Amino acid sequence: DADVTQTPRNRITKTGKRIMLECSQTKGHDRMYWYRQDPGLGLQLIYYSFDVKDINKGEISDGYSVSRQAQAKFSLSLESAIPNQTALYFCATSDRRSTDTQYFGPGTRLTVL
Amino acid sequence: DQQVKQNSPSLSVQEGRISILNCDYTNSMFDYFLWYKKYPAEGPTFLISISSIKDKNEDGRFTVFLNKSAKHLSLHIVPSQPGDSAVYFCAASGGTGTASKLTFGTGTRLQVML
Repeated sequence: DADVTQTPRNRITKTGKRIMLECSQTKGHDRMYWYRQDPGLGLQLIYYSFDVKDINKGEISDGYSVSRQAQAKFSLSLESAIPNQTALYFCATSDRRSTDTQYFGPGTRLTVL
Repeated sequence: DQQVKQNSPSLSVQEGRISILNCDYTNSMFDYFLWYKKYPAEGPTFLISISSIKDKNEDGRFTVFLNKSAKHLSLHIVPSQPGDSAVYFCAASGGTGTASKLTFGTGTRLQVML
């Protein structure tokens, strides 16, 4: 079984709809992250959480919100989706007791029409 | 401001030869560097890393070299295999208040030809 899972893997939605992307991990890591990737660009950090009570904005947090329901679960919400939020979204985890290496989920391809 | 740059969007190499992927950075506070490999429809997979206290780290066919004075790192793959065909991302972390936050380059697509 995969250590970091994301649901759904693919989603098509319409402008203005609320969307939630979910991430779960079995690695026992305390830190979790959400990134988006656009064609030809690197991964940009949306939000990150160093533990359940710690949520921080990344480089591109506008239009997004997150919830850390448990150490193993970190969800990303688009309150009112717009077409330029069409992208690949990745969740990642890391362990504060180790190096800064992050481990990624398989990604969610989101299309906003 | 792109703090981590991969100036070559793509690279083609013959099977069995060496692949060299390059990465430059501008933030002198970065102290830990990583390479990730990404296949289509999958998430990035950690490949190899190097701390700023070293100038070389080797893991099997993969070697990362760090030149701090030039703010440059490179990934060498020897020998290259068709399964190495993927997009490779360079990433960096470090600096005050940035623990565990990674800054990524835009990626280099490597194609290993038979």
